[in-house]
Amino acid sequence: DVKVTQSSRYLVKRTGEKVFLECVQDMDHENMFWYRQDPGLGLRLIYFSYDVKMKEKGDIPEGYSVSREKKERFSLILESASTNQTSMYLCASSLLPGTEHQPQHFGDGTRLSIL
Amino acid sequence: QKEVEQDPGPLSVPEGAIVSLNCTYSNSAFQYFMWYRQYSRKGPELLMYTYSSGNKEDGRFTAQVDKSSKYISLFIRDSQPSDSATYLCAFRRVTGGGNKLTFGTGTQLKVEL
Repeated sequence: DVKVTQSSRYLVKRTGEKVFLECVQDMDHENMFWYRQDPGLGLRLIYFSYDVKMKEKGDIPEGYSVSREKKERFSLILESASTNQTSMYLCASSLLPGTEHQPQHFGDGTRLSIL
Repeated sequence: QKEVEQDPGPLSVPEGAIVSLNCTYSNSAFQYFMWYRQYSRKGPELLMYTYSSGNKEDGRFTAQVDKSSKYISLFIRDSQPSDSATYLCAFRRVTGGGNKLTFGTGTQLKVEL
């Protein structure tokens, strides 16, 4: 079974802090993704990566950056946390799609509160 | 216009009922159609996916796609309390965008004894 592990389930930080969210997958997947999930807005893609040191912006990258130094690990960074970044953050991974669709496998999320 | 529209619910049904969950979409480039299930305090998990118009069945679940109307549905037969969750539709383009998905906002379902 694919396992996607997010380092924290709950996190409370202060405005202006630099925040790191970590995600590790154990299935040698090329693709990794960071989403945020908000009531009424669903899942929105922040950034994704299709290879080590490669990254692409998703739909809402402002205020975030990412790092992928190793294939199994994808980090989301809030450079200067703000209250509007309070949310549930979900990490996912998948194989590269070829002729067959490759499902995304999700972690259980980090609920981040910025005070 | 939003790319994906999904009724947020909440939807409450008695055990054993047939449940219909629906999404509409506007992007003709979407060619993969998925349903994810998300239990409370857990990440989404893939329930079903399909590539073509028509029906796909898996046990009590049937996914239906109508590309001409840009409409997808998930039917749950003989619903159980364990089906209580949020159901998310998701879409992917065939070419370009890698494996990026576009999600609906989710429908919260509660199946009551």
